[in-house]
Amino acid sequence: KAGVTQTPRYLIKTRGQQVTLSCSPISGHRSVSWYQQTPGQGLQFLFEYFSETQRNKGNFPGRFSGRQFSNSRSEMNVSTLELGDSALYLCASSPRDSGGTQYFGPGTRLTVL
Amino acid sequence: DQQVKQNSPSLSVQEGRISILNCDYTNSMFDYFLWYKKYPAEGPTFLISISSIKDKNEDGRFTVFLNKSAKHLSLHIVPSQPGDSAVYFCAATYDYKLSFGAGTTVTVRA
Repeated sequence: KAGVTQTPRYLIKTRGQQVTLSCSPISGHRSVSWYQQTPGQGLQFLFEYFSETQRNKGNFPGRFSGRQFSNSRSEMNVSTLELGDSALYLCASSPRDSGGTQYFGPGTRLTVL
Repeated sequence: DQQVKQNSPSLSVQEGRISILNCDYTNSMFDYFLWYKKYPAEGPTFLISISSIKDKNEDGRFTVFLNKSAKHLSLHIVPSQPGDSAVYFCAATYDYKLSFGAGTTVTVRA
């Protein structure tokens, strides 16, 4: 099976812009989660979707949003970008609907100038 | 609030010896514990996991031990190999989300 894919892999934006990141889970996986990794905060949970429904959300401002489509693909959007949003954004998919092992994609490196 | 803690930021071990990585947690509701290996600018790679109802799980060179009463998790790698040099993250799940520790950088010396 193909792994989790994320596009784009690298992105450069300026402050105030918005960005949309995409994630395609492993075939058959219905749960998709998003994480942010920064040197200072480590890996932080953003949100999790299952069957197009957000089931949990991390402690991030409303500028961070996401959605999941009927084919389980997911997107996350960050509006009004700030310098501190520069990070590696990771998507993970899981074969189960109740937690368990999550498999990660390679990530999207976002740089905000 | 850091619910999963890895108190050792780094570990250096000789090739062929055992690597022991430790992790502590505070949330007794965690139902599944995992270890991931990560290289810079890549996504974490799943290594091994353990359910909260078990105390040990083994997969090849990797063994994870869970002590629920102490809220402590450990990963043993035997024997350590140069390719094991990476950052290792302990993680735990509850309510559909993974909480990660800060990571331990493992360096395997030849």
